[in-house]
Formats: sequence, C-alpha cells, structure tokens
Amino acid sequence: EPEVTQTPSHQVTQMGQEVILRCVPISNHLYFYWYRQILGQKVEFLVSFYNNEISEKSEIFDDQFSVERPDGSNFTLKIRSTKLEDSAMYFCAGQSRGGANQYEQYFGPGTRLTVT
Amino acid sequence: GQNIDQPTEMTATEGAIVQINCTYQTSGFNGLFWYQQHAGEAPTFLSYNVLDGLEEKGRFSSFLSRSKGYSYLLLKELQMKDSASYLCAVTRAGNNRKLIWGLGTSLAVNP
Repeated sequence: EPEVTQTPSHQVTQMGQEVILRCVPISNHLYFYWYRQILGQKVEFLVSFYNNEISEKSEIFDDQFSVERPDGSNFTLKIRSTKLEDSAMYFCAGQSRGGANQYEQYFGPGTRLTVT
Repeated sequence: GQNIDQPTEMTATEGAIVQINCTYQTSGFNGLFWYQQHAGEAPTFLSYNVLDGLEEKGRFSSFLSRSKGYSYLLLKELQMKDSASYLCAVTRAGNNRKLIWGLGTSLAVNP
C-alpha cells in the first residue's frame, strides 16, 4: 500500500538557522497539507497546497515559512529562521480528489524538529 | 469560530466497551473525523461522518448529531493496543479541506 514519507525523521537545529522538511506524498494525491503538533498540544493546521499554489494558510504560517513542490513529487516546508517555539512534530498529509477514500487525509510519519 | 471539546483522559478494561465524546461549535460545519494517534506517531484515520447517524467499521463505530454538535467514537472488545490518543477533527464547508483538531482523548486500556 502506498505511503507518505517524510525526511528527516528528526532534525536538531540552532535558533536562527534555516530548515527544510521534506515530504513525498502518494502519487495520485492532489491536495497537500502541513500540520504541526507541539508536544502535549493539539495538532494545528499550517498550510494547504493545491494545483501548485497555497490554497489557505493559518496565522502560524508567517513570512518565515514557505512551501514548494519543486519537482512534482517532493513537497517541502521551509522555515527560514527557526525560533525555539518552532520545536514540534511536523506532519505532511495528502488527499485524493475523488474515489472511495477522498475524505481521508493520509499522514506521513512526521519530522521531529528540535530548536536549541 | 471553532471550538472542539473532548475529555482529556479515559481508562477502560481490556474486553470492555468505551465511548469517547466530542462536542464542537464550528461555523460552516461540514464533516467530522476521528483519528487514532499512538505516542510519537502520526494520526491514522478511523472514521468520517457527514450525515447524522452511526457508522460502523469493525470494532469501531462513530456517531454524529449535527443539530447537537455532538459525536462519539465507540470502541468495542478493547485490546491493549487500543491504548492511544483519539482525536476528533472537523472540516468546514468550502474548497479547503483542512482539518481543525480537538486536543484528543488519551485512552489507557488496562488488563
């Protein structure tokens, strides 16, 4: 069964550094999402991406964040200058447009980002 | 605005039945999801309700009442591996399908 993959599984970085989190969605998915989950807190929506552009972003997704789908397969989240409060699990998710499972979002295993 | 409430923690015994409730206040409500999340792992899809009523899938069932802003997840024949967090999430009408999440209910299944 196809899976969403994310790399790296764990990233440790110093405050102020740039990080790029990578995701490879399931090939026939058309809608893509990034969520984050700070330890002990709820999952939070960051941004959604459809047809090669951002369709919605949350108030968390400020100018320090950007997303790209550079080659039609990989889907990346970049944080330009990390802050301590960016430490969290970051999940990529994808969704198909139609079919029996069109409502389900398939999540990758996540990247644990630790900012020191 | 959006508000999703779930109990923080629940405990149950192996082999028993447990019901996890979720209430929501969401403008433009479209549908409600239940996800399971083991510690340190990604959420995995359990169920989706858009119409009132009960959806049954094996040991798990989910119920929705749109008029009451209420859902529950029913887990039968509990197993130790069911110990996890159960997350209630909603979507709103419109083209964006983003999930808006509750804090989750941490379920401990004891032998």
